[in-house]
Amino acid sequence: DAMVIQNPRYQVTQFGKPVTLSCSQTLNHNVMYWYQQKSSQAPKLLFHYYDKDFNNEADTPDNFQSRRPNTSFCFLDIRSPGLGDAAMYLCATSRGAGDGYTFGSGTRLTVV
Amino acid sequence: DQQVKQNSPSLSVQEGRISILNCDYTNSMFDYFLWYKKYPAEGPTFLISISSIKDKNEDGRFTVFLNKSAKHLSLHIVPSQPGDSAVYFCAATDTGTASKLTFGTGTRLQVTL
Repeated sequence: DAMVIQNPRYQVTQFGKPVTLSCSQTLNHNVMYWYQQKSSQAPKLLFHYYDKDFNNEADTPDNFQSRRPNTSFCFLDIRSPGLGDAAMYLCATSRGAGDGYTFGSGTRLTVV
Repeated sequence: DQQVKQNSPSLSVQEGRISILNCDYTNSMFDYFLWYKKYPAEGPTFLISISSIKDKNEDGRFTVFLNKSAKHLSLHIVPSQPGDSAVYFCAATDTGTASKLTFGTGTRLQVTL
């Protein structure tokens, strides 16, 4: 089945230690997104790629970076995780404007 | 500034009855609205959507109503089933610009026997 896969499902990292979350898709969608969701809050868009074009949200901290080496894969790099970065990180894809998203199952990040 | 608001964090409904989940938005540029359902430890899954050129869209037990003048939409589930128990997110986008969705904070629906 065509899908969006996030690895790992659960990630524990040490305060200040770089961590990378990965997302892959078999849908061949143009757009890939990274959202951060904290408990009882709305998912918050961090950035998205339209093909190779990177679009950063204005309030996304510099601590968060992303890479999209090809259509299928997108990575979220957190350079120096803080306790406040503990959250569910959701990857999603779409074909573009007016199209709904397909989400992965998310990666729950714990910072210790 | 929360552009999409779901003011009810939770809702409890008896099996077989109607569930009504509400959503308000403030951005008049939004022209496409979606509902997502999320089970614990899973990503949100698409449920139903509506374009601003319509005021109603129906898919089986699920109907979404849009009132543009009030900037309000609602999701009706009839009849409600225990398997509908989940968190429901309302989302909106302006299809004329980037394909970004803005989400509400979600409403947790509990369908009781």
